[in-house]
Amino acid sequence: EDQVTQSPEALRLQEGESSSLNCSYTVSGLRGLFWYRQDPGKGPEFLFTLYSAGEEKEKERLKATLTKKESFLHITAPKPEDSATYLCAGPLNTGGFKTIFGAGTRLFVKA
Amino acid sequence: GAVVSQHPSRVICKSGTSVKIECRSLDFQATTMFWYRQFPKQSLMLMATSNEGSKATYEQGVEKDKFLINHASLTLSTLTVTSAHPEDSSFYICSARDTLARVGELFFGEGSRLTVL
Repeated sequence: EDQVTQSPEALRLQEGESSSLNCSYTVSGLRGLFWYRQDPGKGPEFLFTLYSAGEEKEKERLKATLTKKESFLHITAPKPEDSATYLCAGPLNTGGFKTIFGAGTRLFVKA
Repeated sequence: GAVVSQHPSRVICKSGTSVKIECRSLDFQATTMFWYRQFPKQSLMLMATSNEGSKATYEQGVEKDKFLINHASLTLSTLTVTSAHPEDSSFYICSARDTLARVGELFFGEGSRLTVL
């Protein structure tokens, strides 16, 4: 069964305390791994796409990496404004562009 | 970047009435749009895939007569919650796929919070 699992469920950091979020997937024929940020009461905002193992993408304090079985979202020196839910997702290999989402990691960064 | 507009952002209705939610791609053509439902502290649950000019494809367990989807143009899809009941109260989100984008680059609307009294 295709599945995307994220951990931890919630993460509390002090401002400046770097950490990583994990996304493991068992999607057959994975055609990419995607990261989104979702603020409360809002729709997800696209962050990164990773297509092959070893690939890395960066945006400000965020860096996403991909291996054959999992992806990490590294947050360096986070600020309170980085507080949000981070979702990872993978397109299903059904030919219809459907995407399966993980449950997300709720990040809280305290000043 | 690509923008998807969803309207209304919040709606409160009485039980038994119908509510329509619109999803528009503002600066790109979207042959495919997706409708999701999200419960508090949970991830997005795909309800249906909306294809321009054809019938929507519903996920297992989603009542197609309850959640009517229309995708009449390349920039607009609508979700109508018919005969709404309190259990339909939820956060509904649409996403659109730019026909020229790579597979996973979905762009999401701001979401619509439905409260059925």
